[in-house]
Amino acid sequence: NAGVTQTPKFRILKIGQSMTLQCTQDMNHNYMYWYRQDPGMGLKLIYYSVGAGITDKGEVPNGYNVSRSTTEDFPLRLELAAPSQTSVYFCASRRVDGYGYTFGSGTRLTVV
Amino acid sequence: KQEVTQIPAALSVPEGENLVLNCSFTDSAIYNLQWFRQDPGKGLTSLLLIQSSQREQTSGRLNASLDKSSGRSTLYIAASQPGDSATYLCAVMRTSYDKVIFGPGTSLSVIP
Repeated sequence: NAGVTQTPKFRILKIGQSMTLQCTQDMNHNYMYWYRQDPGMGLKLIYYSVGAGITDKGEVPNGYNVSRSTTEDFPLRLELAAPSQTSVYFCASRRVDGYGYTFGSGTRLTVV
Repeated sequence: KQEVTQIPAALSVPEGENLVLNCSFTDSAIYNLQWFRQDPGKGLTSLLLIQSSQREQTSGRLNASLDKSSGRSTLYIAASQPGDSATYLCAVMRTSYDKVIFGPGTSLSVIP
């Protein structure tokens, strides 16, 4: 099925560990986003990309890194995990004209 | 800086009622406005997108209106059903290449 695929769905990390959240889309969307959503809170933008090779910071980029080597993939890297990074992470993509905004099903991350 | 607010934060209605969700934004210079639905533990699903030149969009029992001059949008849900229970978020985009700014959402419960 066409859409945004995120892996893993769940993960528990220990403080100080690192991991990469994977995101891939098969809709040839130029724009891709990473959000985090804390319990009962709204979405906060971490990083976004307007095309392969181009990334930019959102509202809450500290502690995260991204890369965009292809149109399809937009991985999010957590370095030195901290309890404050416990959250649900969503990847999304859209067309250049603003239509087709599609979210992945999320990765639930717990840092202990 | 664009800010998006939604009132009410939570709403509980009996099945069959018509209801209105409100969204306000501070900067009227928008490219489009979208309404999303989020089910518990899931990603967001786009419901309706209104371009800045449009006044409303309809899909089934949903109707979204846009009044740019007053910085307001409403989502009207007709004949509500228990399956409509979810969080509804509105989001605005300043230009086609800009980030999307999300509101905090309205949590809707439709009681059978």
